[in-house]
Amino acid sequence: AQTVTQSQPEMSVQEAETVTLSCTYDTSESNYYLFWYKQPPSRQMILVIRQEAYKQQNATENRFSVNFQKAAKSFSLKISDSQLGDTAMYFCAFMKPLAYNNNDMRFGAGTRLTVKP
Amino acid sequence: GAGVSQSPSNKVTEKGKDVELRCDPISGHTALYWYRQRLGQGLEFLIYFQGNSAPDKSGLPSDRFSAERTGESVSTLTIQRTQQEDSAVYLCASSMERQPGNEKLFFGSGTQLSVL
Repeated sequence: AQTVTQSQPEMSVQEAETVTLSCTYDTSESNYYLFWYKQPPSRQMILVIRQEAYKQQNATENRFSVNFQKAAKSFSLKISDSQLGDTAMYFCAFMKPLAYNNNDMRFGAGTRLTVKP
Repeated sequence: GAGVSQSPSNKVTEKGKDVELRCDPISGHTALYWYRQRLGQGLEFLIYFQGNSAPDKSGLPSDRFSAERTGESVSTLTIQRTQQEDSAVYLCASSMERQPGNEKLFFGSGTQLSVL
């Protein structure tokens, strides 16, 4: 079974600063997909960024970028120029390869990020 | 609507009662997931439906929990003889048939279940 570990239950950052959230995972697969989801107080899960394991280039989405270290099975999220609206729970998630023909997705325990003014 | 819809948004029940939680996925989405999220915790996988395949029930915590889905439509999560430990937000998500690039899950806003 795949496991996803987020070792930082809570983090805080000053507005406009940069913060990095860590995530590690365990799998025997060589190809898979990794995600970061954001959950604000509204409970609505929002996809922040996704990474395909066979792509070496780190994914970026505006102020959000990842540091994907496949050998280390590490997938950290960097938020640049933090904004008050970034305050939320952040979840790292793993999905099996396409060959499994399913969308089984498993999540880490989450990191609560607070952006301070 | 265009999104995943869950009802009710909040449910308060007494210990020992049965509850049913409903999820309306996005039309055309073949995959449907249920997750449980206890206060301040992460998402705990419960069950997964993919088209007409047998569901993956590996995450259901006890035989008091069950879920059904007819075809690619509505799903119902049933909790029998509720316990206080069942208090949590129950999130539903759906996604399209698996193709490269469409792995994204679309989530509902959840049902907050409180067992008194």
